[in-house]
Amino acid sequence: GAGVSQSPSNKVTEKGKDVELRCDPISGHTALYWYRQSLGQGLEFLIYFQGNSAPDKSGLPSDRFSAERTGGSVSTLTIQRTQQEDSAVYLCASSLSPGVGDTQYFGPGTRLTVL
Amino acid sequence: GQNIDQPTEMTATEGAIVQINCTYQTSGFNGLFWYQQHAGEAPTFLSYNVLDGLEEKGRFSSFLSRSKGYSYLLLKELQMKDSASYLCAVRGEGGGFKTIFGAGTRLFVKA
Repeated sequence: GAGVSQSPSNKVTEKGKDVELRCDPISGHTALYWYRQSLGQGLEFLIYFQGNSAPDKSGLPSDRFSAERTGGSVSTLTIQRTQQEDSAVYLCASSLSPGVGDTQYFGPGTRLTVL
Repeated sequence: GQNIDQPTEMTATEGAIVQINCTYQTSGFNGLFWYQQHAGEAPTFLSYNVLDGLEEKGRFSSFLSRSKGYSYLLLKELQMKDSASYLCAVRGEGGGFKTIFGAGTRLFVKA
């Protein structure tokens, strides 16, 4: 596609439910990042995928969070047993490669609200 | 550990010049990025520095001093549409390609 796409754009869920957020990176981009942004705050790194290498999961806040990237393209971020503090905008970004100077292109984000 | 500091808010006048500073402390360094983010929108890339010095791109310039852990973004001939948050981001925490973002500087441009 022309850009990074994410779905859904908005998700409202009840506390304790599981949610899945999807990211479609730009075709041909080998690197994919997930970030979380709370209202008025900066971006919090969650996880990074590069090709077939093991992902860097060091930013995941708890074991309720997990992510997969199938076929080196589409990624899904799953949050189990959601809590109110999980409410935030979840942003996905992709880059051509993680080489020097690579630019991350961001999707529009998924706004998650946990009631 | 990692830490990226930038001012929370700045106000400047249309047509003026503004400098947004960023200091960082990370366990690795593989480049520093500046992104612009308008309210309710995704961040968009502005600039990248990996070597010391100034990179100029139109009305925007970015400076890096690796020894001081310091960068600034310079915006010239400010326009109302420049009102946005400016995010400083450092890649290389832990020696890899993990990118850490600062909290952002919200710039208000007034007429």
